[in-house]
Amino acid sequence: KAGVTQTPRYLIKTRGQQVTLSCSPISGHRSVSWYQQTPGQGLQFLFEYFSETQRNKGNFPGRFSGRQFSNSRSEMNVSTLELGDSALYLCASSLGPSGSTDTGELFFGEGSRLTVL
Amino acid sequence: SQELEQSPQSLIVQEGKNLTINCTSSKTLYGLYWYKQKYGEGLIFLMMLQKGGEEKSHEKITAKLDEKKQQSSLHITASQPSHAGIYLCGADTGNQFYFGTGTSLTVIP
Repeated sequence: KAGVTQTPRYLIKTRGQQVTLSCSPISGHRSVSWYQQTPGQGLQFLFEYFSETQRNKGNFPGRFSGRQFSNSRSEMNVSTLELGDSALYLCASSLGPSGSTDTGELFFGEGSRLTVL
Repeated sequence: SQELEQSPQSLIVQEGKNLTINCTSSKTLYGLYWYKQKYGEGLIFLMMLQKGGEEKSHEKITAKLDEKKQQSSLHITASQPSHAGIYLCGADTGNQFYFGTGTSLTVIP
């Protein structure tokens, strides 16, 4: 079956703009989590969604937001982009949420590489 | 992440040598995940461990989770150039997934 699909793969924006990234989980997976990866900070947790509800949010400003749809697809939005938002944004999907006996394996997409100029 | 300590940060080994990467959490984990990443690409799932004392192997890679479910090791036997990359451990702490800072592995032919 198809893996986790993230779009777009690459994008370039300028400071002050906003961006929306999309993540389609593996079929049947209801949990989606998002991460920001930068060379200096490694993988930083952004949000986790399960059944359209945000379960947790990482330590990021309010400019970072997300949502999950009834088909488990998820989007994240970053408004008023800053240079420091340049990063690889990864999403991962699993059957169940973190802390559940049904979590199962956690699979990642290829990521969306955002460059802010 | 301070929740998860991964060591060493980098490894350079001769082809054919064995190596071990460690991952330690201050909390008891619901699950421990190992991934491999090529620079700038997504994370490739290697293995997931959930039970204390569990051990899994795939080809020449073996991962173990200790009885207390706080420490895991990834062992590569007879390393090959194809094993080169960044290895990341990830942990389900109950309310989110944390990730180690990664181990960069170079295998010299």
